[in-house]
Amino acid sequence: DAGVIQSPRHEVTEMGQEVTLRCKPISGHDYLFWYRQTMMRGLELLIYFNNNVPIDDSGMPEDRFSAKMPNASFSTLKIQPSEPRDSAVYFCASSLGQGVTDTQYFGPGTRLTVL
Amino acid sequence: AQSVTQLGSHVSVSEGALVLLRCNYSSSVPPYLFWYVQYPNQGLQLLLKYTSAATLVKGINGFEAEFKKSETSFHLTKPSAHMSDAAEYFCAVSEGNTPLVFGKGTRLSVIA
Repeated sequence: DAGVIQSPRHEVTEMGQEVTLRCKPISGHDYLFWYRQTMMRGLELLIYFNNNVPIDDSGMPEDRFSAKMPNASFSTLKIQPSEPRDSAVYFCASSLGQGVTDTQYFGPGTRLTVL
Repeated sequence: AQSVTQLGSHVSVSEGALVLLRCNYSSSVPPYLFWYVQYPNQGLQLLLKYTSAATLVKGINGFEAEFKKSETSFHLTKPSAHMSDAAEYFCAVSEGNTPLVFGKGTRLSVIA
């Protein structure tokens, strides 16, 4: 399997622009997670899905952030409008389940820079 | 709510020396504990996990961790550091079917 695929790997945009990050989970995995990593706050869970349904979005920082999972093989994280403080590395991860024996597999991340 | 504290944001060891990365957790129920490793410009990958079986857990690349309930700790060790071990290490906790909560990470440097 190719693993979790994220695109783009790097994104540079200007404040106020819309940004869309994409993720393809490992085939057959039921859970998908979006994380944000910054030096100040470390690794934060933003939202996670089970069978394409959002389960917990309490980590989404504000209404400017939205995430969708239209099917089992694709998810997006959108920021509109973007702000400089959104600059971070965004990771997508997937797992077979949320049970403790289920390992999360992370994608390589998207490094977002908002100028 | 569960939480994790990793003592030391940066640890530096000589090649061949013992690696010790510290993790303390807080949990209201018996926890499940994990160590993940992140190499530069990559996503995280699982090193090992504790799921209430043996308290000494062996992982990949010669790493192991011991669950100590009395100390609420889950420290990661490796007897002899290798240059390829240089990376960032994250401890994480779960209270069962809840999302993992990660610590802020410890960057390990290995000096030749």
